[in-house]
Amino acid sequence: DTGVSQDPRHKITKRGQNVTFRCDPISEHNRLYWYRQTLGQGPEFLTYFQNEAQLEKSRLLSDRFSAERPKGSFSTLEIQRTEQGDSAMYLCASSYRLAGGYNEQFFGPGTRLTVL
Amino acid sequence: AQSVSQHNHHVILSEAASLELGCNYSYGGTVNLFWYVQYPGQHLQLLLKYFSGDPLVKGIKGFEAEFIKSKFSFNLRKPSVQWSDTAEYFCAVNLSGGGNKLTFGTGTQLKVEL
Repeated sequence: DTGVSQDPRHKITKRGQNVTFRCDPISEHNRLYWYRQTLGQGPEFLTYFQNEAQLEKSRLLSDRFSAERPKGSFSTLEIQRTEQGDSAMYLCASSYRLAGGYNEQFFGPGTRLTVL
Repeated sequence: AQSVSQHNHHVILSEAASLELGCNYSYGGTVNLFWYVQYPGQHLQLLLKYFSGDPLVKGIKGFEAEFIKSKFSFNLRKPSVQWSDTAEYFCAVNLSGGGNKLTFGTGTQLKVEL
């Protein structure tokens, strides 16, 4: 399967714990995006990378959240001191950016986080 | 800030009925428009997209959407739905030259009954 993969698919944690999610984009895709989706809502943009550079962060991304893409391939999203309000589906997407054009974002299956 | 509104949260149709899902966005600049679909247990998938040109765009599985600039709308249509169209549908917009991040609507859950 050459699609976007995410790990783990489900994570249950206690409030106050740290969690880390991983996203592996489609090979050679230079853009990688993180979104968050809560019940009854559409995905909300969190941040995106072009290669290893983090180019934009949403105001939704509090200082407890940090994302990295160290080698321009896979990415990690860490949430420190989790709160119950962090419970959501965390989606990763990737695309191949061509100058002057838009390229389709391919979404992964998501990581469902439950904070108890 | 840009936003996307989907008016119907839940739609129930019988097979062969026609479908129209509303989508309005609020932004005065140049936008790209998308419809994504999420079938039960599956990833979000692109159904169709509009960048420029003919405002009537055709996507996969017989879906089409019409961009009406004056109404800031991008409604999704299908003349005859099938049971397999049961899914959640999301309208999304991104600003041309805006880094490609997508702003999604809240989604419409479509159930097609046999």
